Amino acid sequence: GAVVSQHPSWVICKSGTSVKIECRSLDFQATTMFWYRQFPKQSLMLMATSNEGSKATYEQGVEKDKFLINHASLTLSTLTVTSAHPEDSSFYICSASRPDRETQYFGPGTRLLVL
Amino acid sequence: GESVGLHLPTLSVQEGDNSIINCAYSNSASDYFIWYKQESGKGPQFIIDIRSNMDKRQGQRVTVLLNKTVKHLSLQIAATQPGDSAVYFCAETEPTDSWGKLQFGAGTQVVVTP
Repeated sequence: GAVVSQHPSWVICKSGTSVKIECRSLDFQATTMFWYRQFPKQSLMLMATSNEGSKATYEQGVEKDKFLINHASLTLSTLTVTSAHPEDSSFYICSASRPDRETQYFGPGTRLLVL
Repeated sequence: GESVGLHLPTLSVQEGDNSIINCAYSNSASDYFIWYKQESGKGPQFIIDIRSNMDKRQGQRVTVLLNKTVKHLSLQIAATQPGDSAVYFCAETEPTDSWGKLQFGAGTQVVVTP
């Protein structure tokens, strides 16, 4: 149990376009989902926390208008990178936690390359 | 495991030997700790967790030790195998965070040599 999927697994886009990444909990209802960003050889950096039906809470320094998060159901959260630029190229990873809010289960990640 | 900038500390282990990966944490209020394994190009995978009311927990081939006095966490892997090659992260959370946000350590790269 506790499987989290992400789609797409990788995406290449032109500068100025928007990209949507989906995160789904496949076999459990996720009270909370988290979005992380990871650069090569570095740790995970939390971008935002989202709870179903409410607005996401963004970490300091993360632009909420740039990274739009929607958590429409207990099994789906989406991250939209708006007007993507080359510096947005990164590995984006989501995680989901059960109602006990303890262990987070991670998705396989989405590699974004902005040309 | 601690690192500066882009240089992940690396632990080189011979196949069959035991590995010990260390992690120092700073928040004395943290009460729940998790070790994750991340293979190249993949998301982190849960390995084992431990609560602050314990000092040791064992899983299959892995043991986590917690020393709250010096705020130190370690992961021991017995009989290390090539498939154990990955980056290992410790993560912590504290009870006052109602959403269970994790704070990740810098990570340690484990390289298993034949």
